[in-house]
Amino acid sequence: GAVVSQHPSWVICKSGTSVKIECRSLDFQATTMFWYRQFPKQSLMLMATSNEGSKATYEQGVEKDKFLINHASLTLSTLTVTSAHPEDSSFYICSARTGVSSYEQYFGPGTRLTVT
Amino acid sequence: GQNIDQPTEMTATEGAIVQINCTYQTSGFNGLFWYQQHAGEAPTFLSYNVLDGLEEKGRFSSFLSRSKGYSYLLLKELQMKDSASYLCAVRYAGKSTFGDGTTLTVKP
Repeated sequence: GAVVSQHPSWVICKSGTSVKIECRSLDFQATTMFWYRQFPKQSLMLMATSNEGSKATYEQGVEKDKFLINHASLTLSTLTVTSAHPEDSSFYICSARTGVSSYEQYFGPGTRLTVT
Repeated sequence: GQNIDQPTEMTATEGAIVQINCTYQTSGFNGLFWYQQHAGEAPTFLSYNVLDGLEEKGRFSSFLSRSKGYSYLLLKELQMKDSASYLCAVRYAGKSTFGDGTTLTVKP
């Protein structure tokens, strides 16, 4: 149980275009989802916390107008990278938590974005 | 702010025991995670410590001392497949902050 999927698993896009990444909890309801970014040989950096039905909370330094997050249902959150640039190329990972009191996060397999 | 320190790299021999340390200085603390991450993959959960002491789970054990801001992950009977990055993460205010990870290489 507790499976999280991401789609696509990898994507290549041209500079200036937008890319949408989906994160789904397949067998549980996720009241909270987290979006992370990981550059090569670096650790995960939390970008934002997404709660179902409310606006995402962004970490300091993360542009909310560039990284649009929508958590429309208890099983789906999306991250849209708008006007992508080569420096946005990274590994984007989502995770989901079942409830406020739950401590365990279940990670998706990640999406590798390459902006050319 | 949050400050989490782990060694960058460690090397150990197959069948041996290795201890990966993590120290933290955080403005809040609700618990400490250890994750394993193979290259190009998402992290997988190993352990979660909230109270002081040792938590054992098969070949893996995790220790926490809240007063010292210190934790370690102990891996016994190392196998080649244990070669991976090990991430220490501190939970606070409903979210987690990750350390930079320790890359463990297991040699035959």
